[in-house]
Amino acid sequence: KQEVTQIPAALSVPEGENLVLNCSFTDSAIYNLQWFRQDPGKGLTSLLLIQSSQREQTSGRLNASLDKSSGRSTLYIAASQPGDSATYLCAVRQTGYALNFGKGTSLLVTP
Amino acid sequence: EAGVAQSPRYKIIEKRQSVAFWCNPISGHATLYWYQQILGQGPKLLIQFQNNGVVDDSQLPKDRFSAERLKGVDSTLKIQPAKLEDSAVYLCASSFLAQYEQYFGPGTRLTVT
Repeated sequence: KQEVTQIPAALSVPEGENLVLNCSFTDSAIYNLQWFRQDPGKGLTSLLLIQSSQREQTSGRLNASLDKSSGRSTLYIAASQPGDSATYLCAVRQTGYALNFGKGTSLLVTP
Repeated sequence: EAGVAQSPRYKIIEKRQSVAFWCNPISGHATLYWYQQILGQGPKLLIQFQNNGVVDDSQLPKDRFSAERLKGVDSTLKIQPAKLEDSAVYLCASSFLAQYEQYFGPGTRLTVT
């Protein structure tokens, strides 16, 4: 059974800092990995999708990497802003299955 | 392109009552998912449809939960009777096909008292 773990559970940083969120999974036979953002009381917004054959994906100030063999992914946020405050969820998909989520990292960026 | 629509957004019921949630996926998306997200947890899949057929319902508590996707478009999720532990956000998502990116609706927040 695939287990997805996100560390840290919560993080508070001052505005302007670069930060890294970590995601690990127990079964490396994944189809792809997706990072989501969730604002309070809202649904999930997809940030980045990395296919199993890819090593990283970039979108603006966000960069996600994938090391399938070691069961790890990182989400790098450059020059953090207060508007980045949200919960970030990592989810993996194995062939034929739906997404398997971690518990998320709650991020607070202070002005 | 319109996103995934869900209603109601909020619902408060007493335990042992019944409740139903509705989801309208993105047009043309064959795969539809219902997830349950308990406070402080990541979403957990309840059921996955491919068109109007069930692909995976292994984590659906079938003694009280039911779901259908008639005509392969809209879907409803029902709980009868509700328990206190059913308090959660119920998220609907859709994708073009199962292996494609999923798009989520805003969710329905259920409180069972």
